[in-house]
Amino acid sequence: GAVVSQHPSRVICKSGTSVKIECRSLDFQATTMFWYRQFPKQSLMLMATSNEGSKATYEQGVEKDKFLINHASLTLSTLTVTSAHPEDSSFYICSACNVGEETQYFGPGTRLLVL
Amino acid sequence: AQSVAQPEDQVNVAEGNPLTVKCTYSVSGNPYLFWYVQYPNRGLQFLLKYITGDNLVKGSYGFEAEFNKSQTSFHLKKPSALVSDSALYFCAVYTNAGKSTFGDGTTLTVKP
Repeated sequence: GAVVSQHPSRVICKSGTSVKIECRSLDFQATTMFWYRQFPKQSLMLMATSNEGSKATYEQGVEKDKFLINHASLTLSTLTVTSAHPEDSSFYICSACNVGEETQYFGPGTRLLVL
Repeated sequence: AQSVAQPEDQVNVAEGNPLTVKCTYSVSGNPYLFWYVQYPNRGLQFLLKYITGDNLVKGSYGFEAEFNKSQTSFHLKKPSALVSDSALYFCAVYTNAGKSTFGDGTTLTVKP
């Protein structure tokens, strides 16, 4: 149980385009999902907390107009990187919490490369 | 503010030997502590957690961790390392509203 999927697993795009990443909790309902960014051999940097049915809460320094988050249902959150640039290239990971649990369950990550 | 520290960037052990990956924490109140493992180009996998109860917590793949309140530590251990245990390990402390703060990670390399 507690499986989280991400799609796509890898994406290459041209500078200036927008990219959408989906995060789904497959066998549980997640009122809260988290989006992280990870640089090579570094820890996870929390970008935002996504709450179902309400606006996401962004961490300091994260541009909310650039990283659009939508949490339309209890099993799906999406992260859209708008007008992507090469510096946005990174590994993006989502996680979800089951209701009443402290444990986060992570998706497999999405590798974004912006040319 | 809640924080965790993983003092070692890299841990190297020989296969069959015991391994320890260190973690210390700083929290106000009772800590909720976690260990996660990350394989290359993958998300994190939950290994184990301490919420309350026995100080020795057993988790997946033969790993265990010992909660030590006086030393504010939560070291990850395994009696006999496998080459397949080689990965990046993260210690984390639950803060609030579902958020966790992660350590910088420790790369474990198990050599045959």
